Amino acid sequence: EDQVTQSPEALRLQEGESSSLNCSYTVSGLRGLFWYRQDPGKGPEFLFTLYSAGEEKEKERLKATLTKKESFLHITAPKPEDSATYLCAVQGISNFGNEKLTFGTGTRLTIIP
Amino acid sequence: ETGVTQTPRHLVMGMTNKKSLKCEQHLGHNAMYWYKQSAKKPLELMFVYNFKEQTENNSVPSRFSPECPNSSHLFLHLHTLQPEDSALYLCASSQGLPRGGETQYFGPGTRLLVL
Repeated sequence: EDQVTQSPEALRLQEGESSSLNCSYTVSGLRGLFWYRQDPGKGPEFLFTLYSAGEEKEKERLKATLTKKESFLHITAPKPEDSATYLCAVQGISNFGNEKLTFGTGTRLTIIP
Repeated sequence: ETGVTQTPRHLVMGMTNKKSLKCEQHLGHNAMYWYKQSAKKPLELMFVYNFKEQTENNSVPSRFSPECPNSSHLFLHLHTLQPEDSALYLCASSQGLPRGGETQYFGPGTRLLVL
């Protein structure tokens, strides 16, 4: 069974203070790892998909990296508008039926002005 | 209108009521999903539809009844719900079935409160 653990559960940073969020996963074979951003009361917004170890993707102040056991979401010089819950999900390879997304519980990020 | 839309955004219902949630996707996708999101818990997949056909029912109680009349529309019919069914219900769509790393795009959700 695929598993995803995100840490920390919550993170408070000063504006401009860079940090990283962690997503540890266990799958029999990785089809893809996904990062989403979710604002309170809204649906998850897609950020990145990573497919293989060593892959990196960037978008504005966010950079996602992937190893065979975990992914990091690096936030450089964050601004208050980066405050949100960041969700990680994995899709494992399956020989039976659909390959579901398994989500973590998220990291709630707060950027203090 | 773009992306994935859901109505209503908020819903309060009694345990004996019958209501329906609606989802519409404007992305030209073929697969649609219902998820449940409860506080402090990961998103839980409920149903998957591909080209209007149900391909996944993740052991969801029969008081939740999905309907997919076409690839753009998805409904979730609710009846005799329990207070523990209160949650954010999210609809998502993807180009194809979740194989090969297909990205799922989510709607804004319906916040459901069962009294």
